[in-house]
Amino acid sequence: DGGITQSPKYLFRKEGQNVTLSCEQNLNHDAMYWYRQDPGQGLRLIYYSQIVNDFQKGDIAEGYSVSREKKESFPLTVTSAQKNPTAFYLCASSIIGTANTGELFFGEGSRLTVL
Amino acid sequence: AQRVTQPEKLLSVFKGAPVELKCNYSYSGSPELFWYVQYSRQRLQLLLRHISRESIKGFTADLNKGETSFHLKKPFAQEEDSAMYYCALGGSNYKLTFGKGTLLTVNP
Repeated sequence: DGGITQSPKYLFRKEGQNVTLSCEQNLNHDAMYWYRQDPGQGLRLIYYSQIVNDFQKGDIAEGYSVSREKKESFPLTVTSAQKNPTAFYLCASSIIGTANTGELFFGEGSRLTVL
Repeated sequence: AQRVTQPEKLLSVFKGAPVELKCNYSYSGSPELFWYVQYSRQRLQLLLRHISRESIKGFTADLNKGETSFHLKKPFAQEEDSAMYYCALGGSNYKLTFGKGTLLTVNP
């Protein structure tokens, strides 16, 4: 079954702790993205990666870190420096360099709550 | 800078009525515009893109470069159209910028 898998679906964290959200895709897509979805704010881009071992900051990268060691994996770490980490996080992937550029395939999301 | 504006947070219409979800963008280059939809308890998914010029589920959207708009329209709304709709703008760097979304409710 092809697609984007995010885990965990729900996560609780104490203040001051780092937490890593997993994102895996078996679509053989080049690009992967992390968005944060907040009520009334829409989707805001945190980080994106177009190729293995390379990634770029999005609009709200502060307090987050990522890695792209494998094409199929793009984990997001929410660090203790992120001031308002409670949110719904969406991972996505896409083909690039073709007419299908811009069609993002999304995971089901991870809801992080900081206690 | 890329920017997408969806002026309506909420839009409520009756079944069979026309619906228009507004989207305006700001981008200095050649834009690629998309509409994404999120139905209740489902993943966010692509609805349509301006380059395809196609109608999906009865929805159409025309890119108006003069007005920098990409409004989504459907002549006769159905209850199953109720969802959150996001307009998105793609640039040359494969980065997709989303608007804040419009929650469409189609009443019976």
